[in-house]
Amino acid sequence: AQSVAQPEDQVNVAEGNPLTVKCTYSVSGNPYLFWYVQYPNRGLQFLLKYITGDNLVKGSYGFEAEFNKSQTSFHLKKPSALVSDSALYFCAVRASYSSASKIIFGSGTRLSIRP
Amino acid sequence: DTGVSQDPRHKITKRGQNVTFRCDPISEHNRLYWYRQTLGQGPEFLTYFQNEAQLEKSRLLSDRFSAERPKGSFSTLEIQRTEQGDSAMYLCASSLESPPRGNTGELFFGEGSRLTVL
Repeated sequence: AQSVAQPEDQVNVAEGNPLTVKCTYSVSGNPYLFWYVQYPNRGLQFLLKYITGDNLVKGSYGFEAEFNKSQTSFHLKKPSALVSDSALYFCAVRASYSSASKIIFGSGTRLSIRP
Repeated sequence: DTGVSQDPRHKITKRGQNVTFRCDPISEHNRLYWYRQTLGQGPEFLTYFQNEAQLEKSRLLSDRFSAERPKGSFSTLEIQRTEQGDSAMYLCASSLESPPRGNTGELFFGEGSRLTVL
């Protein structure tokens, strides 16, 4: 069975500082990994994904994420936070060995950027 | 706009009534997911389809829940004999999946259908 853990319910960062939102996963074989963002009263939006290749993937709004196979992690990062980055962030995982594989989401991390 | 659309956006019902939600995915997408989300929590997997075939249904889902995608296009999620614990946001998402290893396409979500059971 696959699972995702987001150990922090909330992350608070000052504007202009770097941010990290943590995610660890468990899946059989190699994973496909995703980050989504949810703004208040809005649907989830795709940010970025890791499929294969370079462990550092870049996505929308200046976000990037680093895949670490040995630590089974896929942390979301941004070098300089903006107040507008404040939102709910979800990590998701899918097993790569089968096309008949569902996508499972973590419980989410609320990111709060203070001016 | 050719995004994922869900209807109704908000449904208020009394306990014991049946409700049905509809999802229209992005037209060329062959995979469709249903998730349930409660306030401040992550989307909980309910079921998903590849074209008209239902590939998996969550074991946590009671028999009161049923979903269909009769022609591989739109999908409906029905909840029979609703209970207060069914109150949640029901999310639909679609993606393009292409064999043999899967397109690994990201999900495109609708705005959700909020269910309130009184």
